[in-house]
Amino acid sequence: AQSVTQLGSHVSVSEGALVLLRCNYSSSVPPYLFWYVQYPNQGLQLLLKYTTGATLVKGINGFEAEFKKSETSFHLTKPSAHMSDAAEYFCAVSADAGGTSYGKLTFGQGTILTVHP
Amino acid sequence: DTAVSQTPKYLVTQMGNDKSIKCEQNLGHDTMYWYKQDSKKFLKIMFSYNNKELIINETVPNRFSPKSPDKAHLNLHINSLELGDSAVYFCASSAGFTGNTIYFGEGSWLTVV
Repeated sequence: AQSVTQLGSHVSVSEGALVLLRCNYSSSVPPYLFWYVQYPNQGLQLLLKYTTGATLVKGINGFEAEFKKSETSFHLTKPSAHMSDAAEYFCAVSADAGGTSYGKLTFGQGTILTVHP
Repeated sequence: DTAVSQTPKYLVTQMGNDKSIKCEQNLGHDTMYWYKQDSKKFLKIMFSYNNKELIINETVPNRFSPKSPDKAHLNLHINSLELGDSAVYFCASSAGFTGNTIYFGEGSWLTVV
């Protein structure tokens, strides 16, 4: 079984400040980890993903995330927030448990990011 | 060109009606999905198809019936709509399975009154 917990349903930062969105996962097998962003009334757009290899992954719009196996975490960061970053962010895990998951994504509860001028 | 397109985007209907949501992807993917996002924004998989074959059915009521006429299409038909079916339904696709990026459509907002 796999699960995702996003700590903090709402995060508020000032423009130019560091963005940190927390994600912890649970998986019985090596996970694949994703961050998606959802703008109001729109679909989900992939920000970045971790499959194998380098644990620090860079994505679009200046975001990056680091896979830490020992902490079962995949936190999303951005050094300097921009007004356009205001959206809801979803962490997700996909794990190939003997091939039965077939790409199934299990999502966290989402974190709404608000950026103040 | 929209990679994963679904119609209609908005749908308001009465309880007891039957409705369909259509989905098409032009990415050449062989796997397609339906996800449901409830009023609390929680996203959960409903179905997954690979090469027109049902792979995942996440204990969804029988009133929901997906149909995949070909690899590029996965439609969702819902019978006897209930108030609790009100949600946003997302179609998605990927090339193969685990670890590959899943591309989502814009969503279909279903409101049952």
